[in-house]
Amino acid sequence: QITLKESGPTLVKPTQTLTLTCTFSGFSLSSAGVGVGWIRQPPGKALEWLAFIFWNDEKYYRPSLKSRLTISKDTSKNQVTLTMTNMDPVDTASYYCAHRNVYGLSWLDPWGQGTLVTVSS
Amino acid sequence: EIELTQSPATLSLSPGERATLACRASQSVSSDLAWYQQKPGQAPGLLIYDASNRATGIPDRFSGSGSGTDFTLTISSLEPEDFAVYYCQQRRSWPLTFGQGTKLEIK
Repeated sequence: QITLKESGPTLVKPTQTLTLTCTFSGFSLSSAGVGVGWIRQPPGKALEWLAFIFWNDEKYYRPSLKSRLTISKDTSKNQVTLTMTNMDPVDTASYYCAHRNVYGLSWLDPWGQGTLVTVSS
Repeated sequence: EIELTQSPATLSLSPGERATLACRASQSVSSDLAWYQQKPGQAPGLLIYDASNRATGIPDRFSGSGSGTDFTLTISSLEPEDFAVYYCQQRRSWPLTFGQGTKLEIK
């Protein structure tokens, strides 16, 4: 059974850097085809994909946020980390991580429960 | 970037009725489209993948159709637990994109 769980601060101040961790089980990020992505959702709004990292260290970023995002993986710890610099109140959202296997179903499945991050001074 | 437009934004129906949700892509995504269901306070869950395949454990009252730019999610007879927000998503090209969602509410 694949599970993912997001962790990180619930409150950050404007201009600070946000660091979120996705800790997963039931799969290995060293297995061919496997990837973990980050998606966010402002309160009451739609889903927005942010970044993805794959087993071969291939990375993809949302173009409009690319300069602020960094995604990395620690295969030994079964973790993926997302950092977002220069946080702004508009970045207030629930942040989700999700599994994808491009050699399997190749869709975002399953998702973590999400973590709400509020940006406020 | 491929833009996905969902319609309607809100759909008000009663249990037992048929629901039809639409998703239109700004350019062809072939069959590289999925639908997700999100209930209040929960993460989204995969419902339909590759435009027309039900994910594991999804009841057969849910069906998906379409290819290219026009897609439809149909719920044949609404159950109380089906009232939620539904999102379409494409994987045809980066960046991955989602529609703005359709809220299915009880009439």
